[in-house]
Amino acid sequence: NAGVTQTPKFQVLKTGQSMTLQCAQDMNHNSMYWYRQDPGMGLRLIYYSASEGTTDKGEVPNGYNVSRLNKREFSLRLESAAPSQTSVYFCASSAGPRAVHEQFFGPGTRLTVL
Amino acid sequence: KQEVTQIPAALSVPEGENLVLNCSFTDSAIYNLQWFRQDPGKGLTSLLLIQSSQREQTSGRLNASLDKSSGRSTLYIAASQPGDSATYLCAVGVGNNDMRFGAGTRLTVKP
Repeated sequence: NAGVTQTPKFQVLKTGQSMTLQCAQDMNHNSMYWYRQDPGMGLRLIYYSASEGTTDKGEVPNGYNVSRLNKREFSLRLESAAPSQTSVYFCASSAGPRAVHEQFFGPGTRLTVL
Repeated sequence: KQEVTQIPAALSVPEGENLVLNCSFTDSAIYNLQWFRQDPGKGLTSLLLIQSSQREQTSGRLNASLDKSSGRSTLYIAASQPGDSATYLCAVGVGNNDMRFGAGTRLTVKP
């Protein structure tokens, strides 16, 4: 039982490059989330998927797209990376709505955009 | 808009001391409050989840309390150990499937 896994762990991009961050959970959770964490700030929600087949914007969706590939997998895509997207990205999952249910987090992806 | 604040941003204590970490929030209409631990370079680990109808939760040396009317939660750590050194974050669950996180308190327990 691996919980929530993320790949890659580290990534360096040049401005304008694209990439996809992968996330998978093996807890049969309905809801999945993508957050970014910046120094001195709390985690901010980028996108979430309340259930398979649905996605919704969070607080800071600009510059990102997501895909809920199936119940297990939720990917985050940066189409044209910008230095402002340098951050640590966390994927999380929960059995139901995050306001009500406990969330479980992956180890994070550290992204640097030059 | 719900604002979550954790003060202090950093705390250093000697080993064995009992300590309290604070979390305050501006809107008392919450579903729950969750405390997390984050080790350097790692993800978040859930420590305690308090539902809005509860006043406290306990797990081992950890005790979290919730006072919705005053917009406050505390995380009490008994007999602190160097292994407790980490950043502790609180997050409140609010309407529309939303959650708001504090920026965290970085705890250092000195041997």
